[in-house]
Amino acid sequence: AQSVSQHNHHVILSEAASLELGCNYSYGGTVNLFWYVQYPGQHLQLLLKYFSGDPLVKGIKGFEAEFIKSKFSFNLRKPSVQWSDTAEYFCAVNAGRDDKIIFGKGTRLHILP
Amino acid sequence: GAVVSQHPSRVICKSGTSVKIECRSLDFQATTMFWYRQFPKQSLMLMATSNEGSKATYEQGVEKDKFLINHASLTLSTLTVTSAHPEDSSFYICSARDQGMSPLHFGNGTRLTVT
Repeated sequence: AQSVSQHNHHVILSEAASLELGCNYSYGGTVNLFWYVQYPGQHLQLLLKYFSGDPLVKGIKGFEAEFIKSKFSFNLRKPSVQWSDTAEYFCAVNAGRDDKIIFGKGTRLHILP
Repeated sequence: GAVVSQHPSRVICKSGTSVKIECRSLDFQATTMFWYRQFPKQSLMLMATSNEGSKATYEQGVEKDKFLINHASLTLSTLTVTSAHPEDSSFYICSARDQGMSPLHFGNGTRLTVT
């Protein structure tokens, strides 16, 4: 069965620090990968997605993620975070013919001003 | 862009009553809708997948008789929590996609509190 692991449950950074949030999935075949963000009091929004092609995916608000197939990973990165990036981030995977998307447990990111 | 409207945003009900939550896709036809539940400090948990015109597919451990899902049209799915209990208090989120592997569009969620 598909599963998604986000290792960092709570991350605290200062503004301008670099960010990397880990995401690993378990599935041996072709996958589609997503990062979603939920800002306080708002609904989930798509940050970026990977379907195929260039494994380095650029998303909104300066975020990017790299798909490393050999490591079953899809880590989210941002070179310099802002206070407004404070939110909860969810990695998600959709694999095979299964129509479901499975989410990781989420990482709560807190940026200190 | 695509919008998913979820209603109500908050509901408080008494134990033993039923509550219906609506999820509408406003500018696209949602062939598939998903219902998630979010427990405090935990991940979204997929409850069921709903395809228009057919019975919902429930995830293991989700009581289909308690969480009734109806996807009567391409723009509307409803989740009814029957005989609600305090442990059903949670945040319920619906999402929808129009076709294939397109990303999900999420509703704003419904905070259910059962007293």
